[in-house]
Amino acid sequence: GEDVEQSLFLSVREGDSSVINCTYTDSSSTYLYWYKQEPGAGLQLLTYIFSNMDMKQDQRLTVLLNKKDKHLSLRIADTQTGDSAIYFCAETPQRGNNRKLIWGLGTSLAVNP
Amino acid sequence: DVKVTQSSRYLVKRTGEKVFLECVQDMDHENMFWYRQDPGLGLRLIYFSYDVKMKEKGDIPEGYSVSREKKERFSLILESASTNQTSMYLCASSSLNIRDEQYFGPGTRLTVT
Repeated sequence: GEDVEQSLFLSVREGDSSVINCTYTDSSSTYLYWYKQEPGAGLQLLTYIFSNMDMKQDQRLTVLLNKKDKHLSLRIADTQTGDSAIYFCAETPQRGNNRKLIWGLGTSLAVNP
Repeated sequence: DVKVTQSSRYLVKRTGEKVFLECVQDMDHENMFWYRQDPGLGLRLIYFSYDVKMKEKGDIPEGYSVSREKKERFSLILESASTNQTSMYLCASSSLNIRDEQYFGPGTRLTVT
C-alpha cells in the first residue's frame, strides 16, 4: 500500500543546515509536499514539488526529489530557533482517491542556540 | 489567504457527553477533512467530505460522525465522548485543483475526563 516514512527527530545547531528526509512508496505520485507545524498550531504548507522536477528552491528552503529512489528531502539553510517545529512530508497518490494526502509521521526539528 | 477556523482551541468534556467540533473555511473549497493528531502517530484521517451532504470514512471513523450541510462548514461529532478520544483535532480544506494541497485550521485540543 501507500506509505510515507520519515525519521522522527533531528537536532541541529543554530546557523547550521538541516536536512529532513522522507521516502515514499507510490511511484506515480504527482505532487509531494512539506508542511510545518509549530507548537500548538495547525499545519502550514511550506513548499511542494511536482513529480517531474528534481529540485525546487525557495529562499532558505531547498527540496530535492529522487524519483528513482522515491526519496524527498527538505534542506533548511542557516537554521534558526524559529525553525523548531514538526515537519511533515505528504504525497498525492495517483491511484485511487486523489483528494486525500498520504502523510508521514513528522520529523521534530530541534534547533539549539 | 485561505482561512480555516475551528470553533474552539481548547475543550474539556466529560465521558459520555456529546461533543461538536466545528470547522469553517472561507475559500469555497469543495473538500474538507477531519484529522486527529496523537504523539508518535502523526495525522490520522477520521472523515472527509467532497461536497455538501457527501462524506467518506477515513482511516479511523469509529466513534465519530460528521455533518456537512453547507459548503463552508464541516462538523465532527463525538456521540458519546470517551477518554481515548482525548487528542488534538485538526480540520483542513482543499479545492478541486490539480495539486490537492490542504489548508489547516489551528486545531482543537480536546480533553475527555
